[in-house]
Amino acid sequence: GDSVTQMEGPVTLSEEAFLTINCTYTATGYPSLFWYVQYPGEGLQLLLKATKADDKGSNKGFEATYRKETTSFHLEKGSVQVSDSAVYFCALKAAGNKLTFGGGTRVLVKP
Amino acid sequence: DAEITQSPRHKITETGRQVTLACHQTWNHNNMFWYRQDLGHGLRLIHYSYGVQDTNKGEVSDGYSVSRSNTEDLPLTLESAASSQTSVYFCASSEVRGTNGEQFFGPGTRLTVL
Repeated sequence: GDSVTQMEGPVTLSEEAFLTINCTYTATGYPSLFWYVQYPGEGLQLLLKATKADDKGSNKGFEATYRKETTSFHLEKGSVQVSDSAVYFCALKAAGNKLTFGGGTRVLVKP
Repeated sequence: DAEITQSPRHKITETGRQVTLACHQTWNHNNMFWYRQDLGHGLRLIHYSYGVQDTNKGEVSDGYSVSRSNTEDLPLTLESAASSQTSVYFCASSEVRGTNGEQFFGPGTRLTVL
């Protein structure tokens, strides 16, 4: 079946540091890939997405590129802020409309 | 503005009681989903619906049921609550059937079963 694996956290960084969260997937067919973010006490919200190989999703300074050859969708941000502290979820959607999520990565940015 | 709401936001109940969690969306989306979020497991799909009178089991459906009598609502019922069902529950909805539809999430319900 479909699955998503992402690095375990927590990831602790200083402000302005570079952030990478690794995500790899297993799926049949050609899934769409997503990064969702969950701020404390809130629901998930879509951060970015990519629907086909080599697509790059970007939003709020975050980027991720759909790499079919390595089945990966790593999330990056060049300079994090305290307000980026959150839990980040990688997810895929294959046939139908169901999402399969990774376990989530908690990121803590310290001033 | 369209939104998706959940109620209650917090619930404490006892083992064996029936509990219903409400989910209401004003996006007019056909697709609705229930997930539970537990440490170490991410989000796992409980039930989903692609339209009125349509319901389907997800990967962790045992002990839960849903019904879809209108477009806006998908209540989740725990028939006989168990301590293993202590979790945070999220409802979501989406418009497009297929691979490109974004899911919109509610704020969550924290359920504690004593």
